[in-house]
Amino acid sequence: DTAVSQTPKYLVTQMGNDKSIKCEQNLGHDTMYWYKQDSKKFLKIMFSYNNKELIINETVPNRFSPKSPDKAHLNLHINSLELGDSAVYFCASTSNAGGLETQYFGPGTRLLVL
Amino acid sequence: GENVEQHPSTLSVQEGDSAVIKCTYSDSASNYFPWYKQELGKGPQLIIDIRSNVGEKKDQRIAVTLNKTAKHFSLHITETQPEDSAVYFCAASKEDSGYSTLTFGKGTMLLVSP
Repeated sequence: DTAVSQTPKYLVTQMGNDKSIKCEQNLGHDTMYWYKQDSKKFLKIMFSYNNKELIINETVPNRFSPKSPDKAHLNLHINSLELGDSAVYFCASTSNAGGLETQYFGPGTRLLVL
Repeated sequence: GENVEQHPSTLSVQEGDSAVIKCTYSDSASNYFPWYKQELGKGPQLIIDIRSNVGEKKDQRIAVTLNKTAKHFSLHITETQPEDSAVYFCAASKEDSGYSTLTFGKGTMLLVSP
């Protein structure tokens, strides 16, 4: 019954590696997001997709590439991981991109780059 | 772009006391103001929201007030309980070209002592 799910929950990897985080929502929502939460708990939007199309890219390095195979999934691939990429990454979804509706967050993926 | 300031960054209260968290925003066009609660190890979860056509909204022990003229909004929690301990985020949003994004404050860590 999980509304927004993410895998993996924890990810520990070496600098320079490439990794992916997956997100799925079963709420029937059209819009999905990726957020980054740093060590000081600051939440910042990275990307937004509406019906599989990118609508927001908040000046994220192009090492980060989101992919939406369908509107229920939004995956995040990160190339050449850096120490500064260590953070918690949250996926979220909402029913209406412009309708100012509730965003539902996943449980987060804790990424540690060594 | 929108800037949301949140105070205090930490708040310690005794069980049964009230807690107040305050936020200010910079963009007068913002018209949706949600509050999220993030428990340890979990994703943020919406607890209450308010839109710009309303000055106050209440849901049991939680209330939110909005002053559009001063561009600030506040979360009030009465009769606090230990399970209210969490990080609370305010956010502001507006519709822009058919899409909206949430700009979050930096969070308030609330600790309720029994």
